[in-house]
Amino acid sequence: GQNIDQPTEMTATEGAIVQINCTYQTSGFNGLFWYQQHAGEAPTFLSYNVLDGLEEKGRFSSFLSRSKGYSYLLLKELQMKDSASYLCAAPTGANNLFFGTGTRLTVIP
Amino acid sequence: GAVVSQHPSWVICKSGTSVKIECRSLDFQATTMFWYRQFPKQSLMLMATSNEGSKATYEQGVEKDKFLINHASLTLSTLTVTSAHPEDSSFYICSANTGPQDTQYFGPGTRLTVL
Repeated sequence: GQNIDQPTEMTATEGAIVQINCTYQTSGFNGLFWYQQHAGEAPTFLSYNVLDGLEEKGRFSSFLSRSKGYSYLLLKELQMKDSASYLCAAPTGANNLFFGTGTRLTVIP
Repeated sequence: GAVVSQHPSWVICKSGTSVKIECRSLDFQATTMFWYRQFPKQSLMLMATSNEGSKATYEQGVEKDKFLINHASLTLSTLTVTSAHPEDSSFYICSANTGPQDTQYFGPGTRLTVL
């Protein structure tokens, strides 16, 4: 079966760094996705990790450890517009995506 | 690239009517399209997966006779909510990809309100 755990909510200050953790259990492994979803909007793709290590994309980085079933999304130089839900998702063997419940991040001034 | 559109973006209908939602991949051919439903403050729940030219695969608990999916071409899939009821009010989102394990790109979503 599939299971994904993320913190439900986080709060961070504008300009700071925040790390959003995700632990997963999947039958087979086909990589891990992170999506950003603003309230009332559809998710937008942030990153896809299939190999261990850190991948950096501007202010956003994503880390994966396959042996630990663990990933995190790192957001640097936080901006108010980064307030959103961040969804960790794992592909299933049936070409679906299984989503975690998401972490609602609130950035405060 | 990889743009997915949905129409309409919102719809309000009376209980008992049917509503059709279109999902289009604008700049790529989508081998597979997915339909999700999201209730307030909850995560996306996959409803069904459709491949062009074949019948959709529905997730457990999703009534295939109520949520009709047609994937007539590599760029268009439709979801029809038949005999809609207030409990069907939700945010319906489609996504598409070009192959297994490829990134899914999401449409902007359709907010359905059934009175």
